[in-house]
Amino acid sequence: GAVVSQHPSRVICKSGTSVKIECRSLDFQATTMFWYRQFPKQSLMLMATSNEGSKATYEQGVEKDKFLINHASLTLSTLTVTSAHPEDSSFYICSARQLAGTRGAKNIQYFGAGTRLSVL
Amino acid sequence: AQSVTQPDIHITVSEGASLELRCNYSYGATPYLFWYVQSPGQGLQLLLKYFSGDTLVQGIKGFEAEFKRSQSSFNLRKPSVHWSDAAEYFCAVGDTGGGNKLTFGTGTQLKVEL
Repeated sequence: GAVVSQHPSRVICKSGTSVKIECRSLDFQATTMFWYRQFPKQSLMLMATSNEGSKATYEQGVEKDKFLINHASLTLSTLTVTSAHPEDSSFYICSARQLAGTRGAKNIQYFGAGTRLSVL
Repeated sequence: AQSVTQPDIHITVSEGASLELRCNYSYGATPYLFWYVQSPGQGLQLLLKYFSGDTLVQGIKGFEAEFKRSQSSFNLRKPSVHWSDAAEYFCAVGDTGGGNKLTFGTGTQLKVEL
């Protein structure tokens, strides 16, 4: 159980275009999803926290107009990189936190497989 | 602010040998602690977690970790490493205040020699 699907796994786009990444919890409901960015050989940096039905909370230094997050349902959150530039090239990973369930389950984040974005 | 230190960037062990990956954390109270594993180009898989109770926790794939409050540590261990364990390992501390934000360490790259 607790499977998170992230799509696409890899995307190449031209500079100036926008790219949408989807994150779905397949077998559980997630009130909260998180978006991370990972640079090569580095750790994950939290970009934003996405709560269903409300505005996302962005970490300091993350441009909310550049990285648009929508969490329209309990199983889907999307990250749109607007007007992408080469410096936005990175590995983006989402995670989802369970709404409820077994004790402690809501404190666990389950991760998608990531999206490799390359901006030419 | 919470933080995690993984002092070993790279570790190489022989297949069949024991393994210990170090993790030290900084947090104002008893934290939630996690170990995740990441294979190249993949997302993170949860190996084990500590919320409370027994300080020795068992995880998947034969891994275990011990929470030591006095040392602010949560080291990951495996008695006999398999070649398939080669991957990047991340320790993370979770905010217990409700936001459940995770702060990750910089990771330890494990190489297994056959």
